[in-house]
Amino acid sequence: QKEVEQNSGPLSVPEGAIASLNCTYSDRGSQSFFWYRQYSGKSPELIMFIYSNGDKEDGRFTAQLNKASQYVSLLIRDSQPSDSATYLCAASPSVGTASKLTFGTGTRLQVTL
Amino acid sequence: DADVTQTPRNRITKTGKRIMLECSQTKGHDRMYWYRQDPGLGLRLIYYSFDVKDINKGEISDGYSVSRQAQAKFSLSLESAIPNQTALYFCATAFRGDTQYFGPGTRLTVL
Repeated sequence: QKEVEQNSGPLSVPEGAIASLNCTYSDRGSQSFFWYRQYSGKSPELIMFIYSNGDKEDGRFTAQLNKASQYVSLLIRDSQPSDSATYLCAASPSVGTASKLTFGTGTRLQVTL
Repeated sequence: DADVTQTPRNRITKTGKRIMLECSQTKGHDRMYWYRQDPGLGLRLIYYSFDVKDINKGEISDGYSVSRQAQAKFSLSLESAIPNQTALYFCATAFRGDTQYFGPGTRLTVL
């Protein structure tokens, strides 16, 4: 079993809707969580990270962390066609650092017109 | 100029050949990483280095070796390439424990 699990998708949402991407992790020692976006054939780029329980907002993006349930999510509000990409969830054993990341397999998001 | 460069960007080679993938960065970061990405398997860590004298194995180091020639350069070698090493390879860099920044990737095909 992979340590960081994501549904591969595709997750299809209409333009303007909220996209909800989910990630679960098995290692309770994981402390920090990172969301990367990867367009087809391109390299991953960081969207945001979270290490405290609760919500963290950055523009149209909100990361949510529930350590008791070992669950991380990324909400994208007002989804745009340009948000169509694969979203990678990654876990780090350290608080607030990305020294060594374990990645999930990613969820492909399709935003339809 | 790109902060993290990888050469070559594409490579086709034959089974048994030795191949080296190179990564250079101008970000002044101390930490460098090599990952491979396969469909359905995601990104997996091959090797990482926290400074020039520090080399660590990652999740899938068998069949690979690395060299940290300088703070800015980190090379990945396949001593004898095999077809299941066909993948997209990414180099990443980070300053201390901060965000990892990824290079553009090298698509390697082993026939």
